Formats: sequence, structure tokens, C-alpha cells
Amino acid sequence: GGIITQTPKFLIGQEGQKLTLKCQQNFNHDTMYWYRQDSGKGLRLIYYSITENDLQKGDLSEGYDASREKKSSFSLTVTSAQKNEMAVFLCASGTGINQDTQYFGPGTRLLVL
Amino acid sequence: GEQVEQLPSILRVQEGSSASINCTYENSASNYFPWYKQEPGENPKLIIDIRSNMERKQTQGLIVLLDKKAKRFSLHITDTQPGDSAMYFCAASGGNYAQGLTFGLGTRVSVFP
Repeated sequence: GGIITQTPKFLIGQEGQKLTLKCQQNFNHDTMYWYRQDSGKGLRLIYYSITENDLQKGDLSEGYDASREKKSSFSLTVTSAQKNEMAVFLCASGTGINQDTQYFGPGTRLLVL
Repeated sequence: GEQVEQLPSILRVQEGSSASINCTYENSASNYFPWYKQEPGENPKLIIDIRSNMERKQTQGLIVLLDKKAKRFSLHITDTQPGDSAMYFCAASGGNYAQGLTFGLGTRVSVFP
């Protein structure tokens, strides 16, 4: 088995601040994903990456940057935090026949003051 | 892209009875349909999935059905227990290798004695 770790677990930022979230997986999966989950809602795809140094935009990419530095890590940057923003950011990595079976990390909970 | 609708949004069932959640999708090319269970403060966990080459799959008290013609898939939890109380999300893969999942908005299942 493997594990996905996300750091930090909680992140409190200020309006306008640039914030970086990190994700590591030791499954040796090729594909990695960043999703945003708002309270009581489903998950929306921000960015994904099918291999090292690859980046693909999801439905919610505006306001975010991402970087796949190596196969095991995928980071997400909130380019300018919005006041009163509160959400959970979930990282996932993919496996399976079509690399579409995804397993999620524990999440980073963001609060912007 | 893909759009996934999930109903109901809230489901209360008596312990020992069955719970059913229905999802519909739009993209006829979608070929992978996972279900995730999310407990408060936890990350979504994959509980069962089905691919388009199957119509039915069953594991440990869970049954998923897929009707490709109607673009509809469903989760049935048999003999519900208090531990089944959680948020459940359906998702569909757009049929493109390594593309992110499109999630429904979730169903909050509560099992009462």
C-alpha cells in the first residue's frame, strides 16, 4: 500500500496573500490531482498532472498555479487569497487500468481572514 | 466535459433498511463511475466503483448498478448500520485517460435506530 500526505493540515492566511499547499504520494502513481471542496458541496477539479512536469487545467484553475516538481509531489498555489474564503483542498493520485481510480489525501483546510 | 447530478441530497433511513442514491451523467463517453464515502473531517474514501463494461457490481453490502442507455448509475446500501451515516459522492470519468473526475454534490445519509 501507499499513502498520500498533505501539508499543512490547516492554513490560515490573509487577504491577498500567496499560499502554497503541498502533496506527496508514495504509490508511484503517474497522475495527481488537486480538488477544492466547499462546505456541503462536491469536489471541483483545479489542476491535474499526468506525469512529472506536466500540468493540465481543471474547471476551477483561475486564481491558482500548480507545479509537479517530481513524480511523487504536486504543489498548489493560491495566487491571491480571497477574504473570508474557507475551503478544503484535496490532493489525489490515480491508478487503475486508465489511471482513473483516485485515492485522496487527508486535505488542507484553508481559512482566509 | 461532464455534468453529474446526484439525488437525493439528504437521505434518512432506519437501521436495517436499504438506502439508494441515484446519479445521472451527460457524457456518453464516460466509462468509469466510482462512489466515495466521506465522514466528517475525513477525506473521501473509495468504497466501490464500476466500469462501463459492467451493469452490476456488489461488494460487502454495497450494490452499484449502471444503465448506460439512460446514463444513470446508482448505489444501494443494504442492511444499513449506524456506521453507514456519512456523505456519499458519485463521480464520473469523462472517458479521457487520466482526466479528473466530475463529482455529484453529495448525499448526506443518516441511519437512525
